[in-house]
Amino acid sequence: NAGVTQTPKFRVLKTGQSMTLLCAQDMNHEYMYWYRQDPGMGLRLIHYSVGEGTTAKGEVPDGYNVSRLKKQNFLLGLESAAPSQTSVYFCASRGGVNQPQHFGDGTRLSIL
Amino acid sequence: DQQVKQNSPSLSVQEGRISILNCDYTNSMFDYFLWYKKYPAEGPTFLISISSIKDKNEDGRFTVFLNKSAKHLSLHIVPSQPGDSAVYFCAASALDSNYQLIWGAGTKLIIKP
Repeated sequence: NAGVTQTPKFRVLKTGQSMTLLCAQDMNHEYMYWYRQDPGMGLRLIHYSVGEGTTAKGEVPDGYNVSRLKKQNFLLGLESAAPSQTSVYFCASRGGVNQPQHFGDGTRLSIL
Repeated sequence: DQQVKQNSPSLSVQEGRISILNCDYTNSMFDYFLWYKKYPAEGPTFLISISSIKDKNEDGRFTVFLNKSAKHLSLHIVPSQPGDSAVYFCAASALDSNYQLIWGAGTKLIIKP
């Protein structure tokens, strides 16, 4: 009964380093999302995907790239990490229109 | 420009009493609203939703009310229990945005014994 799984759970990077966050869902959902949450703010959408092989920009896409090569996986990449990308990152998936999104437990990322 | 606003960062309620969490929105195109609950170090979990064609939706102790003319929705929890202590997020979406969710900043609910 895994649902949405995010790896890693924590990571500390130096400015300029790159990394990839992995999101995996086992519910056969078409839609997947990457959000960031910063203190005192709601979740902000970075990128999303409406199906395998598709991606689209959300509200705050700059500095991030994504890929959806397999339906169950959605990867978020930081090519050159910046301190402003220090945040908690959440992945979510949903099955269809007006269905709720299901979330992973987040990745806490610190950029020094 | 916040399209979804939760103006109370925190709320403290006695156990057994009613908790009322509020949310305001500005975009009249929003037609689907959701409430999520979040515990520390966990992802948000879906609580209850309401479509704009309704003004009330109930699920056990949780009821969401929607006032479209005032662009306001509220979540009522009756009776409040210690396990309800969490951060509650309001979110809204519109058909013309491919149902992307716009989130409020959250309200931290504290249930006192």
